[in-house]
Amino acid sequence: NAGVMQNPRHLVRRRGQEARLRCSPMKGHSHVYWYRQLPEEGLKFMVYLQKENIIDESGMPKERFSAEFPKEGPSILRIQQVVRGDSAAYFCASSPQTSSGNNEQFFGPGTRLTVL
Amino acid sequence: AQKVTQAQTEISVVEKEDVTLDCVYETRDTTYYLFWYKQPPSGELVFLIRRNSFDEQNEISGRYSWNFQKSTSSFNFTITASQVVDSAVYFCALSEAKIYSYDKVIFGPGTSLSVIP
Repeated sequence: NAGVMQNPRHLVRRRGQEARLRCSPMKGHSHVYWYRQLPEEGLKFMVYLQKENIIDESGMPKERFSAEFPKEGPSILRIQQVVRGDSAAYFCASSPQTSSGNNEQFFGPGTRLTVL
Repeated sequence: AQKVTQAQTEISVVEKEDVTLDCVYETRDTTYYLFWYKQPPSGELVFLIRRNSFDEQNEISGRYSWNFQKSTSSFNFTITASQVVDSAVYFCALSEAKIYSYDKVIFGPGTSLSVIP
């Protein structure tokens, strides 16, 4: 059973371009979480999605950032018109839908975005 | 509100020394999970341990041990006989446990450990 997959692992964009980060959750997992790690900082929650639904986007910047998790395919975190401050590592995590409250999250390897 | 504090920003030890990384958390919930993750220089997150709030038994795994003290809201991590490969940033984290719901993980700011040969 493959783990959480993220691609690309490294992404370089110039200011003003768009960045698209992909996350394929573990097989059977229907919950996806995105976290951002700014340089020299810990991870901060951005958004939580279930298939076709955004459940909690309280950690997302109000502008330029969006996320989706379609019925088919990976979850996408999109950053429009990137700025240098968007340079960070973006981690995706997934969890299964269980009734036990035991919603352990499994983290992907991260995508490192560098904005020139 | 939930919060995780790791007061030690950076620690340096000489190889073979023991080192303890402190973690203090805040939560109003009675049921929650605590985690430790390791982030080596390569950048990925390596899961080390998960402990639920009802299990206060200390745990040992090889050179790693964890001391969970609910009375002081602490979940400290000790590496015995440290090795150069232990050099990494270590994150303590907290998650509530809700049935039929989700839990975002709240991370501490991390402690950067350098083990000097």
